[in-house]
Amino acid sequence: DAGVIQSPRHEVTEMGQEVTLRCKPISGHDYLFWYRQTMMRGLELLIYFNNNVPIDDSGMPEDRFSAKMPNASFSTLKIQPSEPRDSAVYFCASSLQKSSGNTIYFGEGSWLTVV
Amino acid sequence: GENVEQHPSTLSVQEGDSAVIKCTYSDSASNYFPWYKQELGKGPQLIIDIRSNVGEKKDQRIAVTLNKTAKHFSLHITETQPEDSAVYFCAASSAWGGSYIPTFGRGTSLIVHP
Repeated sequence: DAGVIQSPRHEVTEMGQEVTLRCKPISGHDYLFWYRQTMMRGLELLIYFNNNVPIDDSGMPEDRFSAKMPNASFSTLKIQPSEPRDSAVYFCASSLQKSSGNTIYFGEGSWLTVV
Repeated sequence: GENVEQHPSTLSVQEGDSAVIKCTYSDSASNYFPWYKQELGKGPQLIIDIRSNVGEKKDQRIAVTLNKTAKHFSLHITETQPEDSAVYFCAASSAWGGSYIPTFGRGTSLIVHP
């Protein structure tokens, strides 16, 4: 089991540039989540998908953020244009929903620095 | 929506001591309470969970307790070891619309001194 795979692991970019973060969820999982982690705000849920359909994007901070899930094995989180305050660790996670609760499996994160 | 408060934000103990992390939640409909451990440079990983029909659950040195009346739950780690040093997150969720979408606490940074 390869787990949730994220790329890139680290990215440093200049303000104003477009950033695309990628995620491959665990095969067979029906939920995919994007989280952002910062010291100030902790772990924030940005958006989640069920069966490739976005369900709740109320956590997406601004229109500069967008997420897609074109198929069950791939998702992207895009920031355009990026700003220094977007610097954070972005986690992708996936789960298989069960009636008794579900375990969320996190990737290792994408560490984003916007200068 | 659900609100989860977690305390303390930082906990420093000596190796061999016990550590306790406490969380409170606001939504009485919440019935699933997982705990995640995040090691440096990695994503959070589930270490134990408890459901509302159970008051306590143990797994070796780790135990969780749940008080539904008071809406609080706790993580207990006994005989702490340096490798227990990490950030711990509690979470609460209910089967809203058939989906368990957890609300996480802010995290507790546990430091175990050798």
